[in-house]
Amino acid sequence: AQSVTQLDSQVPVFEEAPVELRCNYSSSVSVYLFWYVQYPNQGLQLLLKYLSGSTLVESINGFEAEFNKSQTSFHLRKPSVHISDTAEYFCAVRRGNNNDMRFGAGTRLTVKP
Amino acid sequence: DTAVSQTPKYLVTQMGNDKSIKCEQNLGHDTMYWYKQDSKKFLKIMFSYNNKELIINETVPNRFSPKSPDKAHLNLHINSLELGDSAVYFCASSTGNSGNTIYFGEGSWLTVV
Repeated sequence: AQSVTQLDSQVPVFEEAPVELRCNYSSSVSVYLFWYVQYPNQGLQLLLKYLSGSTLVESINGFEAEFNKSQTSFHLRKPSVHISDTAEYFCAVRRGNNNDMRFGAGTRLTVKP
Repeated sequence: DTAVSQTPKYLVTQMGNDKSIKCEQNLGHDTMYWYKQDSKKFLKIMFSYNNKELIINETVPNRFSPKSPDKAHLNLHINSLELGDSAVYFCASSTGNSGNTIYFGEGSWLTVV
């Protein structure tokens, strides 16, 4: 079975500061990795995903994540955050032959002015 | 048009009642899910259906019964509601390929009083 650990439950940062949200996974087989974002009182939206190929993946709003197989990590980064980035961020993993998607516990990113 | 739509969005009901949450997707996906998000934002898969067939059934009380009349619909019926059932329930869908994104509905906020 696969599992996902998000190491920080809350990350407060000031506007325009860089941020890293950490995610580690465990699985004995190949996996697909995802980051979802949940804005207040809304559903989850896909931010970015890693399937194969380049280990660095980017989203349209400036986030990026790097798949590191040796460290079994998929940390999410943004060089300069905005107030509007305040949300809950979920790391998720699916195994290569499995329909099931497992989520981490979430990281609450709060961007302060 | 909403890709994954679920109704009702908000539901307040008394303990012991029976209630249903409906979900429909217009993405042509063959796999649908129900996830439960508790007050601490933790997301847990409850059920998954592929082509109307149950493929994932996590440890969920048998008061919860999913029903899939066709590939585009997956409804959740809950009998004898308990206080601990209060949560946000998310419907989601995807194609069968595990590398594909899971698309989520906006959520149904269930409060049992």
